[in-house]
Amino acid sequence: AAGVIQSPRHLIKEKRETATLKCYPIPRHDTVYWYQQGPGQDPQFLISFYEKMQSDKGSIPDRFSAQQFSDYHSELNMSSLELGDSALYFCASSPLERGDNEQFFGPGTRLTVL
Amino acid sequence: SQKIEQNSEALNIQEGKTATLTCNYTNYSPAYLQWYRQDPGRGPVFLLLIRENEKEKRKERLKVTFDTTLKQSLFHITASQPADSATYLCALSASGGTSYGKLTFGQGTILTVHP
Repeated sequence: AAGVIQSPRHLIKEKRETATLKCYPIPRHDTVYWYQQGPGQDPQFLISFYEKMQSDKGSIPDRFSAQQFSDYHSELNMSSLELGDSALYFCASSPLERGDNEQFFGPGTRLTVL
Repeated sequence: SQKIEQNSEALNIQEGKTATLTCNYTNYSPAYLQWYRQDPGRGPVFLLLIRENEKEKRKERLKVTFDTTLKQSLFHITASQPADSATYLCALSASGGTSYGKLTFGQGTILTVHP
């Protein structure tokens, strides 16, 4: 069965650089979520999209932005990177029209900021 | 503020025993409570979902209970196996509005099943 695809899997950046993370949800899933997980921490919700519109926003810095495209893939753009942005970034998708909201997570992108 | 607590950071049990993990929450009225498994460096994997009007759910060796009065969920793994060793995350989500679907996670319990 198809799973959530994230790219790249690993990314190393310098401070103040920019990064773009991509997420390809499971086919026919209309909702995408982004989470950030620091070392030893639980995943923290950043932002979500439903049918290409932003549906909810969590503790996402103003330096970060995201969007969902017409093919439902999503991109998380991160600018002016800081050391504290080093984390695992997960994308999850969900078929909300089914009523339940179990989420299917991708393998994550490990971002290291030097 | 919303708070989710899982009973312990680590739980060690012998193979074949039942593992019981606890999730307590405050300042929250979730519509759904979910349990996920996470292996190191990998994404969480959905295990079970229980709705606010349900008391118990089972799936193979897994069982979850949900007590909205106590604001607590118990997650059981029966006949545990070393392959069950992982971090288990409790997550809550709301029923509607723009926050529908957004998961708030507990800090996780690291389960180790010894052969």
